[in-house]
Amino acid sequence: DVQMTQSPSSLSASVGDRVTITCRASQDIRNDLGWYQQKPGKAPKRLIYAASSLQSGVPSRFSGSGSGTEFTLTIGSLQPEDFATYFCLQHNTYPLTFGGGTRLEIK
Amino acid sequence: QVQVVESGGGVVQPGRSLRLSCTVSRVTLRPEGIHWVRQAPGKGLEWVAIISYDGRHRYYADSVKGRFTISRDTPKNVLFLHMNTLRTEDTAVYYCATSSGDFASAPSRGFFNDIDVWGNGTTVTVSS
Repeated sequence: DVQMTQSPSSLSASVGDRVTITCRASQDIRNDLGWYQQKPGKAPKRLIYAASSLQSGVPSRFSGSGSGTEFTLTIGSLQPEDFATYFCLQHNTYPLTFGGGTRLEIK
Repeated sequence: QVQVVESGGGVVQPGRSLRLSCTVSRVTLRPEGIHWVRQAPGKGLEWVAIISYDGRHRYYADSVKGRFTISRDTPKNVLFLHMNTLRTEDTAVYYCATSSGDFASAPSRGFFNDIDVWGNGTTVTVSS
């Protein structure tokens, strides 16, 4: 199975900060990666697909980069509604696997 | 605009069975694969299974292989997850989610088996 190592597992930041979350794959997954946001009690919402493409309707402060084994999600200027849990998903190889998640909290 | 709605969750004893349902409503129908993903209480996400648009191609996580079966009634836009021999570790919120296309017709590995739109989930509790 492809292991997705996500870091950090938690992060404290302030409104207006720029934050970066990383996912590393245990093998080359090309750009078959998505980033998701999940708020408590809610369904996940995709932010980024194909590693760097912005999902329709998602604010442009969200961006993704990377290919192969190293991927990043960057939030350019944190807004109050961005405090949530974020996780990555690789869909290059079955079984699909998720990163462990990053809980983004208000400092 | 697409809506994904799961149903069928509940409390069930270990060793028993349960069937989850998922309805996908879309203004313009398109061929797409459909996933089941689960999240145990306080835990991360675990992919469970995927089925192709015509129902002929299916993949499963090792943790459910041989116990769970994914199926669909494509003309009725309904998807099912038949769960047999349930274990306490199967306790989770089960999400149904669409892909961006039909992986069975994909030009290469990794195409169209992404996870796009999610439902709100249905809760399964396996407990004696």
